[in-house]
Amino acid sequence: DVKVTQSSRYLVKRTGEKVFLECVQDMDHENMFWYRQDPGLGLRLIYFSYDVKMKEKGDIPEGYSVSREKKERFSLILESASTNQTSMYLCASRPLRRNQPQHFGDGTRLSIL
Amino acid sequence: AQSVTQPDIHITVSEGASLELRCNYSYGATPYLFWYVQSPGQGLQLLLKYFSGDTLVQGIKGFEAEFKRSQSSFNLRKPSVHWSDAAEYFCAVGTYSGAGSYQLTFGKGTKLSVIP
Repeated sequence: DVKVTQSSRYLVKRTGEKVFLECVQDMDHENMFWYRQDPGLGLRLIYFSYDVKMKEKGDIPEGYSVSREKKERFSLILESASTNQTSMYLCASRPLRRNQPQHFGDGTRLSIL
Repeated sequence: AQSVTQPDIHITVSEGASLELRCNYSYGATPYLFWYVQSPGQGLQLLLKYFSGDTLVQGIKGFEAEFKRSQSSFNLRKPSVHWSDAAEYFCAVGTYSGAGSYQLTFGKGTKLSVIP
């Protein structure tokens, strides 16, 4: 089974802090994704990565950056956290070959005070 | 741009009753289509997917979905709902983004409640 692990289930940070959300997958997948989930808005794509050191902006990249130095790890960075970034963050991965779905982690619920 | 509409925000059914969750998409080419389920406090679990071929797709937990190109729909069905099916359900369309990958655009979800 594919395992996508997000380092924290719950995280509380303060406004202005630099926040790192970590995601690790164990299936050698090329593609990795970060989404945020908000009530009534569904899931929205923040950033994705085709492969190591490659990244592309999604629909809502403002206020976020990402890092993919190793294939198994994809980090989401909030450079200066703000209260409107309080949300559930979901990481996903998939292999490059055709017709393969995305597999999701259990999510990190982030609160910015 | 692609979009996904799930018209029902919240549905309540009795245990043992049949279920249909609606999903309409907007996309110019042949879509990749998915249904995911999310239990409270959990991530998303894939129920089923459509890439091509047979338009009736079988998934896990007794769910199925039918792709209807003429109606731009991909409705999820289950003949008899169990209390453990109470969760939030998301429909998604995958659109090719180059380099052999695709992005997912999600609907806003349908929350299912089950009455014992």
